[in-house]
Amino acid sequence: EPEVTQTPSHQVTQMGQEVILRCVPISNHLYFYWYRQILGQKVEFLVSFYNNEISEKSEIFDDQFSVERPDGSNFTLKIRSTKLEDSAMYFCASSAGGSLGPYGYTFGSGTRLTVV
Amino acid sequence: AQTVTQSQPEMSVQEAETVTLSCTYDTSENNYYLFWYKQPPSRQMILVIRQEAYKQQNATENRFSVNFQKAAKSFSLKISDSQLGDTAMYFCAFMKGETSGSRLTFGEGTQLTVNP
Repeated sequence: EPEVTQTPSHQVTQMGQEVILRCVPISNHLYFYWYRQILGQKVEFLVSFYNNEISEKSEIFDDQFSVERPDGSNFTLKIRSTKLEDSAMYFCASSAGGSLGPYGYTFGSGTRLTVV
Repeated sequence: AQTVTQSQPEMSVQEAETVTLSCTYDTSENNYYLFWYKQPPSRQMILVIRQEAYKQQNATENRFSVNFQKAAKSFSLKISDSQLGDTAMYFCAFMKGETSGSRLTFGEGTQLTVNP
């Protein structure tokens, strides 16, 4: 079964440093997403991406965040200057879109980001 | 805006017994999808079951079934013949159906423990 792959599985970074979280969505999917889950809390939507641009973003997704699809396979989330409160599990997801979207929404295994 | 509420932070059940997890949601949408996701200690998000709002018939997947009450905006998950491997956090989630690439909105989660 096709998978969404995220790397690294765990990243530790110093406060103020930039981090890039990487994802390889399912190859024929058209929509890409990032979600965040602070430990012990619910999963929160950050951003969705379609046709090389952001289609929707939440209030959490401020100027310190950016997303990019640098090539035909990778989808990245960059946090410019990390804060302690950015420590969380970050999930990438992808979907086929259209009428198939709800049926093929697939999450990656997550990247645990720890800011120290 | 949509909201999803899970009022049971924790539940426990004996192995082989049946347990029901509750979820309510609020929306003005008429076309939407509802999901239950399982998050084991590995923290991966695993789809358990999905319900289309336009279908009156409740979805079932092996030991998992839902009770979808559209008028009451209720979407509960029943797990029959509980197994130790069912121990996990369970999240209820909502997705609008009319727009491709819609976000998922999650509830707070219910930690289920299956006891031997």
